[in-house]
Amino acid sequence: QLQLHESGPGLVKPSETLSLTCTVSGDSITNSNYYWGWIRQPPGKGLEWIGNIFYSGSTYYTPSLKSRVIISVDTSKNQFSLKLSSVTAADTAVYYCARHSRFWYDAIAYYYVGWFDPWGQGTQVTVSS
Amino acid sequence: EIVLTQSPGILSLSPGERATLSCRASQSVRSSYLVWYQHKPGQAPRLLIYGASSRATGIPDRFSGSGSGTDFTLTISRLEPEDFALYYCQQYGASPETFGQGTKLEIK
Repeated sequence: QLQLHESGPGLVKPSETLSLTCTVSGDSITNSNYYWGWIRQPPGKGLEWIGNIFYSGSTYYTPSLKSRVIISVDTSKNQFSLKLSSVTAADTAVYYCARHSRFWYDAIAYYYVGWFDPWGQGTQVTVSS
Repeated sequence: EIVLTQSPGILSLSPGERATLSCRASQSVRSSYLVWYQHKPGQAPRLLIYGASSRATGIPDRFSGSGSGTDFTLTISRLEPEDFALYYCQQYGASPETFGQGTKLEIK
C-alpha cells in the first residue's frame, strides 16, 4: 500500500528557508506514470498547489511561488523535498505531499495535468520569530 | 487559471439525509476533468471521485458525482456518521490544477 509521510521543522523564522521531506513507501518514486507533488493549506483557507517533480528531476511550480520554491528528488532514498525561501507569516500552513496522476498532456504548458492520490497526512509549519 | 467556487461553505445535515455539494468553475472544465476529495482533521485527504462521476477504488456507492462544463455536484445519498468532513473539488482540465475552497459538512 502506497504511503507518503512528510517530515521537517514545525517552526521556521521569517526570512529563512522552509525545508520539508516526503518519504514514499509502497511504490518506487521512479515510477514513470506519476509526478510527486506538494500542496499546502494556510489556516482558514483552501488548498494551494505548490509544485510537482518527475523522478528525472523535471519540476513544475505554481507561478506565484516559483521564485522561492525548489523541489528536488532523491531516488536512492525514495524521497522528494521542498524548499521555500524567504518565508513570511503568509507561508504558515499545513503542507502535504502527494502522488500526482499525470493524466493528460497539456502541450501548451509542457505539463501532464492530473489529480493527487494518495496524500500524506500533512505537517504543520508555522513561520514566527 | 480556472477558479473553483464551492457552495455552500457549511452544510448542516443529519445522518440518513441526502447531501448535495456544488462546485462551480469560472470557465468550462475540459472533458469534465474534475475530482472530489474528502478531508477529515488530522488525516490525509482522500480521493472520492475522478472524471466528475467515477468513484475511486473503495469508495461506497452512496457517493456520486455529476456535472459538466462549469457546474459539478457531489451527492451523498444517505449520510453516515463518518461522512461528516470537509470536501474539496479540484479541476485538472487545465494547467495549473486548482482547488475549490471547500465545503464543511457538519452534523446538525
